[in-house]
This record gives sequence, structure tokens and C-alpha cells, in this order.
Amino acid sequence: EVQLVESGGGPVKPGGSLRLSCAGSGFSFSSYGINWVRQAPGKGLEWISSISTRGTYISYADSVKGRFTISRDDANDAFYLQMNRLTVEDTAVYYCARSPGSGFWSGYYYFDYWGQGTLVTVSS
Amino acid sequence: QSALTQPASVSGSPGQSITISCTGTRSNLGTYSLVSWYQQHPGKAPKLIIYEVTERPSGISSRFSGSRSGNAASLTISGLQDEDEADYFCCSRDGDTMIFGGGTKLTVL
Repeated sequence: EVQLVESGGGPVKPGGSLRLSCAGSGFSFSSYGINWVRQAPGKGLEWISSISTRGTYISYADSVKGRFTISRDDANDAFYLQMNRLTVEDTAVYYCARSPGSGFWSGYYYFDYWGQGTLVTVSS
Repeated sequence: QSALTQPASVSGSPGQSITISCTGTRSNLGTYSLVSWYQQHPGKAPKLIIYEVTERPSGISSRFSGSRSGNAASLTISGLQDEDEADYFCCSRDGDTMIFGGGTKLTVL
């Protein structure tokens, strides 16, 4: 069974940093593109970043470009989202989600499995 | 970039069919046949129900179907069931990024 489990969320002050982790199991982690999607309380979904297999290609939404960094550790079936210079607008549940193949870069623009999410609360 | 446009809510009775629209622009729905739809029950993670406009993942009921025309896409749910009550989000490629719709709350009366 494919599973994705996020961790690392919690409260943080504006301007602070947080690193989210996503652990995968039940599939060959290194063979898939991985993405982060967030959902502010009571709001819709927002794609924020994607990384291809081997980390060859990376893409970010304008809203997080220059502040967030996506990375992956295939040896440990994990990937990460380093979030810096956080603002109250970054408060959301953060989901990791898998894409088939290498994700965008192999033509797959959808998310076939999702984790349960981790809540990040940015507040003074 | 602005989100794709979806109606805030739709409703239907059990057994009926409903359609949820998703309107975009030439840079997303108007260019790419790369529309996906997600179902989200309260407090749960989104679940893929349609990808590449019309394709259903394994295990998804044939009651769910998708289509696209011009700058718009739609999701149709036939034979409504109580468990279909949820939020539904469309999603499309937009250049080298992805963009979601604002979501539609489906109420089964």
C-alpha cells in the first residue's frame, strides 16, 4: 500500500523557519516525482513545489520562490521542504503528494497519492 | 497566477447527476489536456478521481467522468450517493506550474 507521511509542522513566528519531511513507503520512492501542496484553513488547494526523480528538476510557485527549498533523499525514502522567512499567509496544512514517473518532467501533471498533511501555523 | 474558477457550491438528490464546471484561460485549460479532479472529505486528504481530463484511476467509480472544451473543463457525477458529499477541486498545468480551482462543495440533499 502506498503511504506518504508528513511531519515537522507546528507553530512558528513570522520570519522564522521550519523544515517539513515526507516519508514514503509501499512504492519505489526514487522512481517518482514528489510535490508539496498546501491548504490554508477553510481555503482551496495551492500547489507550491515539485521535484523530479534524482532531484534533476525543481519548480516553485511564485508565492514561495526564494523562500522555500524542496529536496529529496532517495536513500532514506524521504523528501523535505525547507521553509524560510515565513509569513502569516503561509499558515496552512501542507501535503506531500506523489506524481507518476518523474512528475511534470515526464508529462504527468497530477497527484495520485497524498499524505494526510501537517499543519503549519505562523503567528506572533 | 489566478486560480481556476469553480462554482462555490452545487447540490443534487440521490440518484441524480450533477456537473461541476472549471473555467480557466488559454495558458492552462485552453492549451493543455492535463486536467485532474480531486475529491476531499472534511478533515481528509484530497483523493485523485480524474486525471488527464477523462481518465479514472483504478478503484474510482465509473459514475465519475470528466470532459474539457476550450478554456473549460467539467466533472460529472451520475447516480449521486450520500458519500459523494465532499469538496471537489479541479487542477491544470499552467506553463511549468500547476494551478487549482477554488473548490466546489457538493451537497447531497
